[in-house]
Amino acid sequence: EAGVVQSPRYKIIEKKQPVAFWCNPISGHNTLYWYLQNLGQGPELLIRYENEEAVDDSQLPKDRFSAERLKGVDSTLKIQPAELGDSAVYLCASSLDTGELFFGEGSRLTVL
Amino acid sequence: GNSVTQMEGPVTLSEEAFLTINCTYTATGYPSLFWYVQYPGEGLQLLLKATKADDKGSNKGFEATYRKETTSFHLEKGSVQVSDSAVYFCALSERGYSTLTFGKGTMLLVSP
Repeated sequence: EAGVVQSPRYKIIEKKQPVAFWCNPISGHNTLYWYLQNLGQGPELLIRYENEEAVDDSQLPKDRFSAERLKGVDSTLKIQPAELGDSAVYLCASSLDTGELFFGEGSRLTVL
Repeated sequence: GNSVTQMEGPVTLSEEAFLTINCTYTATGYPSLFWYVQYPGEGLQLLLKATKADDKGSNKGFEATYRKETTSFHLEKGSVQVSDSAVYFCALSERGYSTLTFGKGTMLLVSP
């Protein structure tokens, strides 16, 4: 069975440019998470979806970050415009309801 | 709020040595506790969990006991292998697996 798939694995952009990350969760998983992992830190939740609904987006910086999960399957996380401090790994995870989380390999963003 | 504190790394050991990685937590309720592992180039994986006081989680020779009186969940392994080299994250959640709060992670390096 395929795991959580994220793309791109690596992205280098200049500041003020936009960037988008894509996540395909495990088939049948209704809950999807985006986490931010800064270097040397643990992951921090950005947003959690239950099906199409964002049920916890309190930590998402809404001035420049946006996310969507159309049709309750794939999800996209966008940053516009990117800042130097956004350099980090963006992790996607999925679960069946509030069961075990399965993480993707992450998308590493470098902002120059 | 909830928080997790783990010992700083890197922890460097020789093969077959005994491993302890300390983890303490602060939570308002009665959280579930987890250890996640991140091998080089891979996504986070659940290593073990415990959902109530005095529970012992175990997997792949690793163990951790939920100690409510000391608010701790230390990870131990009797004999580490080179293949155990990874970053280990302690985490908690007050509602099932959702809304995980992670520690900063501890890198383990095992040499032959």
